Amino acid sequence: AQSVAQPEDQVNVAEGNPLTVKCTYSVSGNPYLFWYVQYPNRGLQFLLKYITGDNLVKGSYGFEAEFNKSQTSFHLKKPSALVSDSALYFCAVRDGGATNKLIFGTGTLLAVQP
Amino acid sequence: ETGVTQTPRHLVMGMTNKKSLKCEQHLGHNAMYWYKQSAKKPLELMFVYNFKEQTENNSVPSRFSPECPNSSHLFLHLHTLQPEDSALYLCASSQETGQGIYEQYFGPGTRLTVT
Repeated sequence: AQSVAQPEDQVNVAEGNPLTVKCTYSVSGNPYLFWYVQYPNRGLQFLLKYITGDNLVKGSYGFEAEFNKSQTSFHLKKPSALVSDSALYFCAVRDGGATNKLIFGTGTLLAVQP
Repeated sequence: ETGVTQTPRHLVMGMTNKKSLKCEQHLGHNAMYWYKQSAKKPLELMFVYNFKEQTENNSVPSRFSPECPNSSHLFLHLHTLQPEDSALYLCASSQETGQGIYEQYFGPGTRLTVT
């Protein structure tokens, strides 16, 4: 069965420093991986996805993610964090079945201190 | 967030009430979803509709009843809920073409409190 793990409930980083939010996955076939962000009292917003090709995927708001097949990881990164990046981040993997079913991780709260 | 709208944004209901949540997508998508988001738990997929047909029911109790009259609208009818059903209910949509993998777009959610 497909699954996603986000090992950190919270990540703290100082503004201007690089940030990493970790995600590992388990799938039986080819992984289709996504990152979403959720701001308070809002729905989830799509950041980026990996389907195939280049292991480094660039997305919205300066975020990028690196797909590592040998480590089954898809960590979210940003070179320089902003206070406005503070939010809840979700990693998701698509179920390889017929429906567009996404399996989500439990989320990581990113707190960027000024 | 204007792509997917949800009403109401907040709802308080008693366990004996009947209410409905509404979702509308303005993106021309052909698939719609209901998710439940509870604190400290992963998002739970509840229902999936493809081309107005329900293709997934993730073992959801019958007190939740979805309806998809067309590809732009999705409802979740609620009756005799329990306090543990209090959560944020999220609607999403995507374009399923059979070719390519497309992301889901989410609405802002309805914060439901069952008293």
